[in-house]
Amino acid sequence: RKEVEQDPGPFNVPEGATVAFNCTYSNSASQSFFWYRQDCRKEPKLLMSVYSSGNEDGRFTAQLNRASQYISLLIRDSKLSDSATYLCVVTGFNKFYFGSGTKLNVKP
Amino acid sequence: EAGVAQSPRYKIIEKRQSVAFWCNPISGHATLYWYQQILGQGPKLLIQFQNNGVVDDSQLPKDRFSAERLKGVDSTLKIQPAKLEDSAVYLCASRTGGGAGFGTEAFFGQGTRLTVV
Repeated sequence: RKEVEQDPGPFNVPEGATVAFNCTYSNSASQSFFWYRQDCRKEPKLLMSVYSSGNEDGRFTAQLNRASQYISLLIRDSKLSDSATYLCVVTGFNKFYFGSGTKLNVKP
Repeated sequence: EAGVAQSPRYKIIEKRQSVAFWCNPISGHATLYWYQQILGQGPKLLIQFQNNGVVDDSQLPKDRFSAERLKGVDSTLKIQPAKLEDSAVYLCASRTGGGAGFGTEAFFGQGTRLTVV
């Protein structure tokens, strides 16, 4: 069983739409959670950390549900520049585990 | 602050040849990771160092891959001999802190794109 599972998509949405991605993880002892963004042919970069209380950064909202072992990312008012692959990351004991990524295409 | 440096950016080799990649992490970062990312997939951890010691190399194909981090700073990853399926981007990342490393992000280099023909 994979440590982290994501729907690969792609999610094709129009500009201005709201889109949500989910990610599940297998190890209940996981400690930290992140969403990374990866543009085509670029390295992954941190989008936001995910806290148990939930957190928001502008149009982006991340949620963690420890009981069900899933993480979500909500993007409101999608922009063309949001087109990328979104990687869910789960850590424990200094190990970083990546999901396979969810591809988002925002269309005009 | 300088980021994670990797070289070369691109490499094309024939199968059965050898290749080496170099990584210089962010200054002061104790943890260094090497990932393999095949097109369309998420990064897969190959090896993790804490200072100059190996923490996890369970996913490293040790019959052909080797890595070292001398003096706990720079690291090299080597493939010998290369196979066609090794074609991928090799990403190096670094992170502060040991122990559980709670809450801190990992920073990535731009990667080395390897093509084995």
